[in-house]
Amino acid sequence: KNQVEQSPQSLIILEGKNCTLQCNYTVSPFSNLRWYKQDTGRGPVSLTIMTFSENTKSNGRYTATLDADTKQSSLHITASQLSDSASYICVVSQGAQKLVFGQGTRLTINP
Amino acid sequence: SAVISQKPSRDICQRGTSLTIQCQVDSQVTMMFWYRQQPGQSLTLIATANQGSEATYESGFVIDKFPISRPNLTFSTLTVSNMSPEDSSIYLCSAGMTGGNEQFFGPGTRLTVL
Repeated sequence: KNQVEQSPQSLIILEGKNCTLQCNYTVSPFSNLRWYKQDTGRGPVSLTIMTFSENTKSNGRYTATLDADTKQSSLHITASQLSDSASYICVVSQGAQKLVFGQGTRLTINP
Repeated sequence: SAVISQKPSRDICQRGTSLTIQCQVDSQVTMMFWYRQQPGQSLTLIATANQGSEATYESGFVIDKFPISRPNLTFSTLTVSNMSPEDSSIYLCSAGMTGGNEQFFGPGTRLTVL
């Protein structure tokens, strides 16, 4: 069964701290893996997209990693800010435009 | 990139009525999709909106309940018909190019059915 599982389900950290979110997938065929940020009441916004051959990609304070052998990905957030409070969704593309969504990690940054 | 707008942004509707949600993309795209996001859940694909032909629905979603139109490459509508409280959800439109890696999302329409 094609699935994307994320952990933790929710996370609370203090402003300025780092954190890492995890994503495991069993999607086949694999086209690419995306991390989206979804602010409350808004649509998801793409942070990174990685294909099979890429094992790391950065977007500012966000760094995503991909291990295609173990089918795991992580999203590392450095020096967190209050505006990082959001849901982070791991999405695996199964062929052309067919997306399998994780349940998301709800991240809260406290001052 | 593509900028996607949706109207309305939110609505409160009575049971048994219908609501049509509009999605406008600022550039021509080949692929448009409609998703549902129930409270605390991730996104579920309802259908792919095909230009000039019937939409392609995912398992569990039917045209009579969620009729979709796509008259051109930049615009689509989703109607939620004969609504019940179980239809309360956020409905999102997304768009992308065939074979492309990116899929852009609209801000969503928050629907509450009483």
